[in-house]
Amino acid sequence: KAGVTQTPRYLIKTRGQQVTLSCSPISGHRSVSWYQQTPGQGLQFLFEYFSETQRNKGNFPGRFSGRQFSNSRSEMNVSTLELGDSALYLCASSLVGTGAYEQYFGPGTRLTVT
Amino acid sequence: GQQVMQIPQYQHVQEGEDFTTYCNSSTTLSNIQWYKQRPGGHPVFLIQLVKSGEVKKQKRLTFQFGEAKKNSSLHITATQTTDVGTYFCAGPGNAGKSTFGDGTTLTVKP
Repeated sequence: KAGVTQTPRYLIKTRGQQVTLSCSPISGHRSVSWYQQTPGQGLQFLFEYFSETQRNKGNFPGRFSGRQFSNSRSEMNVSTLELGDSALYLCASSLVGTGAYEQYFGPGTRLTVT
Repeated sequence: GQQVMQIPQYQHVQEGEDFTTYCNSSTTLSNIQWYKQRPGGHPVFLIQLVKSGEVKKQKRLTFQFGEAKKNSSLHITATQTTDVGTYFCAGPGNAGKSTFGDGTTLTVKP
């Protein structure tokens, strides 16, 4: 089976811009979660989508949003970028959902905000 | 909310020495998962523990789940340079979402 894919792998944006990241889960996996990883904050949960519905949400401002399509592919959007949004954004897919099932992470999108 | 605490934050060992990282939760966990992230890579699932007192081995790695299901450990025997990376534990948090510990970064000196 193909693994989790994320595009783009690297991105440089300017403060105030918006960005959309894409994630394609493992075939058959219906749950997609997004995480922000920074050196100082570790892995921070953003949100989880399951069958096109947001099932869980972390403590991030409303500038962070996401969606999931009928083929389980997911996108996350960050509007009005701030310098502090520079991070590695990881997507993880799971068969049914996080917490009870192992997650398979994609390679991540490295976002740099200047 | 539920927190998963992991110690130590960093561990530097000489190749061949043993290594242990500990994970503690403030609440009882239904399961705990362990992941490894190599430098420049992404987290990779290692194992999931479900039963109280469970012990599982993967070659030189030994995973334990505490009797009270509030703590877990990962022990590596005779570390090798290939063991370098950050080891995360993760437990099911509120509403079923995963809560990751801050990780233990292992460096191995050849």
